[in-house]
Amino acid sequence: GQNIDQPTEMTATEGAIVQINCTYQTSGFNGLFWYQQHAGEAPTFLSYNVLDGLEEKGRFSSFLSRSKGYSYLLLKELQMKDSASYLCAVMDSNYQLIWGAGTKLIIKP
Amino acid sequence: GAVVSQHPSWVICKSGTSVKIECRSLDFQATTMFWYRQFPKQSLMLMATSNEGSKATYEQGVEKDKFLINHASLTLSTLTVTSAHPEDSSFYICSAYSGEPYEQYFGPGTRLTVT
Repeated sequence: GQNIDQPTEMTATEGAIVQINCTYQTSGFNGLFWYQQHAGEAPTFLSYNVLDGLEEKGRFSSFLSRSKGYSYLLLKELQMKDSASYLCAVMDSNYQLIWGAGTKLIIKP
Repeated sequence: GAVVSQHPSWVICKSGTSVKIECRSLDFQATTMFWYRQFPKQSLMLMATSNEGSKATYEQGVEKDKFLINHASLTLSTLTVTSAHPEDSSFYICSAYSGEPYEQYFGPGTRLTVT
C-alpha cells in the first residue's frame, strides 16, 4: 500500500531552526509537495521537489532523496506565524496526491 | 499564482437537506479537480477526482449517490451533498489541476455544519 509518514507534532522556539521529516512509499513518483495549513484554512503550497537535492525558497527549504524515499522541510528564523500544520504529499503515478497526516508545529516565544 | 474559489465558504443546513458547493478556477483551465474532506485534527482525505466532461472517480468508501459531482466546464466543478446528516459535517476543500504536476491549487474550503 501507499504510505506517508511524518511526525505528529513538533515544538520549536521563535528564531530557531526546525526540520520536519517525511518518508514515503508510493506507487510511482511524480514529485513531493509540502503544504502549510493554518487551523480552519485550506493548505497553501510551499514547495515541490521532483529531483534529488535541496530547493531553497527564502526561510523555507525542502530536500528530497528518491532512493531513500525521504524528504524534509527546513524552516529557518522561525516566526510565531509559522505555527501551523505542515503536510507532506507525494504525487503518484496516476497524478493523485497521497497525503501524510501532517505535522503540527508549535512555536514558543 | 493561480486562484481557485469556493462558494459558499461556510454553510449550516438541516439534516435531510442537500447542499451544493462550487469550485471555480478563476484564471486557468482545470482539466481535473479534486474534492477533499477534512475532519478536525485529521489530514485531507480524497473523496473523488472530477474530470471535465466525464464521470467523477470516487475513492473507496465514498458514496457516489450521496456526494454528487458535476464538472460541467474547465473552470467549474460542483459537489452536492444529498440528504445531509450530522456526520457529514466537515471541511470540504477542492483543488484544481491544470496538467503540470506541480500546478495543483487549493480553494479556501467550505465548512459544512449539519444540524
